[in-house]
Amino acid sequence: SAVISQKPSRDICQRGTSLTIQCQVDSQVTMMFWYRQQPGQSLTLIATANQGSEATYESGFVIDKFPISRPNLTFSTLTVSNMSPEDSSIYLCSVVVRDPYEQYFGPGTRLTVT
Amino acid sequence: GQNIDQPTEMTATEGAIVQINCTYQTSGFNGLFWYQQHAGEAPTFLSYNVLDGLEEKGRFSSFLSRSKGYSYLLLKELQMKDSASYLCAVMDSNYQLIWGAGTKLIIKP
Repeated sequence: SAVISQKPSRDICQRGTSLTIQCQVDSQVTMMFWYRQQPGQSLTLIATANQGSEATYESGFVIDKFPISRPNLTFSTLTVSNMSPEDSSIYLCSVVVRDPYEQYFGPGTRLTVT
Repeated sequence: GQNIDQPTEMTATEGAIVQINCTYQTSGFNGLFWYQQHAGEAPTFLSYNVLDGLEEKGRFSSFLSRSKGYSYLLLKELQMKDSASYLCAVMDSNYQLIWGAGTKLIIKP
């Protein structure tokens, strides 16, 4: 298994500002993912962040809006840029540990944009 | 396209048994996952099926039929703490998880 922490746990931000979310894992992992979950809905994958390469973004998400860093095998950041109320959501990082591809999730960051 | 269907909401009684169904259509298949998510918390892994049949883990069991594109999660001896959303997810040929919208399970005394 893996223990994942995220900072901040929640934040209220003003429209037009940016927020950087940190994800720390207690072990080295290759694959790390960033998800968004809006209230009452399922998970939407934003991007896959592998160490040593550029993040791979899903349809509808772009690097200018959601820049990601992955400086090492235990840490990643997601920035939500130029925020609007539509970005209000829970942002989750997750990691794949090993077979059978179990994904473990961080506690999430609850973002409210006013 | 890729699609995963599961009921939006189910209600069951404490001590009873409930079955949550999931049907899927995906480009390739590398396994099906069930996750539990309590309100305001992150999802937690429950089960993984890649071969047909039933996997039992305590009060929870998960079944898979690849030919039918069908799975279910069976919860026995329901407890109030089982009230949560249950997410079905399929890993496609690119090893990417495709998520269902989740089933909110309400347990009544």
